[in-house]
Amino acid sequence: DAGVIQSPRHEVTEMGQEVTLRCKPISGHNSLFWYRQTMMRGLELLIYFNNNVPIDDSGMPEDRFSAKMPNASFSTLKIQPSEPRDSAVYFCASSFPELYQETQYFGPGTRLLVL
Amino acid sequence: QKEVEQDPGPLSVPEGAIVSLNCTYSNSAFQYFMWYRQYSRKGPELLMYTYSSGNKEDGRFTAQVDKSSKYISLFIRDSQPSDSATYLCAMSPNSGGSNYKLTFGKGTLLTVNP
Repeated sequence: DAGVIQSPRHEVTEMGQEVTLRCKPISGHNSLFWYRQTMMRGLELLIYFNNNVPIDDSGMPEDRFSAKMPNASFSTLKIQPSEPRDSAVYFCASSFPELYQETQYFGPGTRLLVL
Repeated sequence: QKEVEQDPGPLSVPEGAIVSLNCTYSNSAFQYFMWYRQYSRKGPELLMYTYSSGNKEDGRFTAQVDKSSKYISLFIRDSQPSDSATYLCAMSPNSGGSNYKLTFGKGTLLTVNP
């Protein structure tokens, strides 16, 4: 399996522009997560989907952030308008049901720089 | 007080050394304890996980959980240069289907020098 695929790997944009990050989870996984990683705050969960339905979006910082999962093999995280404080590495992760604790498999991340 | 505290390091050791990495936490609801390894410019990957208190061994790696002290550790024996990475602890509760919600430490950067 190719693992979790994210695109783009790097994104540089100017403040105020719309940014769209994309994720393809591992085939057969029914849970998908978007995380943000910064030096100051570490790795934070933004949103969690189960069977394509958003279950927990309490980590989404504000209305400028939105996420969708139109089908089991694709998800997007959109920032509009972007701000310099959104600069971070954004990870997508997926998992499948296990008896006790689901293992989350992370993608390589998208490095976002907002100027 | 942050829910999970982890010394960011950096930690630099010679090849073959025993490495000890630690996290403390404040939320007594945490039941699952994990260690992730993250190489530079890569996503985190799960190394080990344990449930509740106790020890778990996997090759050169041993994870320990002391719930009474709210303290977890990862030991690496015979450390290798390939172990150089950032190690993140993560924890989750075991209640009402919320075990997906991982709370991560900020990570400890480890360098093993040949």
